[in-house]
Amino acid sequence: AQSVSQHNHHVILSEAASLELGCNYSYGGTVNLFWYVQYPGQHLQLLLKYFSGDPLVKGIKGFEAEFIKSKFSFNLRKPSVQWSDTAEYFCAVRGKGPLVFGKGTRLSVIA
Amino acid sequence: KAGVTQTPRYLIKTRGQQVTLSCSPISGHRSVSWYQQTPGQGLQFLFEYFSETQRNKGNFPGRFSGRQFSNSRSEMNVSTLELGDSALYLCASRTGTSGSFYEQFFGPGTRLTVL
Repeated sequence: AQSVSQHNHHVILSEAASLELGCNYSYGGTVNLFWYVQYPGQHLQLLLKYFSGDPLVKGIKGFEAEFIKSKFSFNLRKPSVQWSDTAEYFCAVRGKGPLVFGKGTRLSVIA
Repeated sequence: KAGVTQTPRYLIKTRGQQVTLSCSPISGHRSVSWYQQTPGQGLQFLFEYFSETQRNKGNFPGRFSGRQFSNSRSEMNVSTLELGDSALYLCASRTGTSGSFYEQFFGPGTRLTVL
């Protein structure tokens, strides 16, 4: 069965710092990869997705992620975070079955 | 286009009771998935329906069940509630079952508290 691992439970950054959130999955076949964000009190929203093609994917709000097939990774990056990026971030993977989520990383951005 | 709607938004029940949660997908979406979200476990997949048929089921006890109607609306039921069932239950809908149609859109969730 496929699984998703997010390395950091809680990340605290100062505004303007760079962000990288790790995501690794276990599934040997073709995958679809997603990052979702959940702002406090709001719905889960899609940040970006990878289905095929260019492994560097750009999403909303300046986020990007890189799919490295050999490392089974799909790390999320942002060059300069803002206070409004404070949220919980979920990596999700779909192989042969349903969409499977990681346990999430809580990002706190301080001024 | 209206988003995914879930009712009720908040629910308080006691142990042993049963509960039914409802989800209306985005118009035109034929697939509905349900997830349980808890602080320690993140989002755990419950089940997925497409055109009234259950396509996938997660690793939850038989107390958790669901169904989908011909208009794509879905309900999930939890019988004999336990304290550990307290969670945010999320519904997500999407257009199809494969490829680029796999982008899911989430509702606001139903917050279930079991006392």
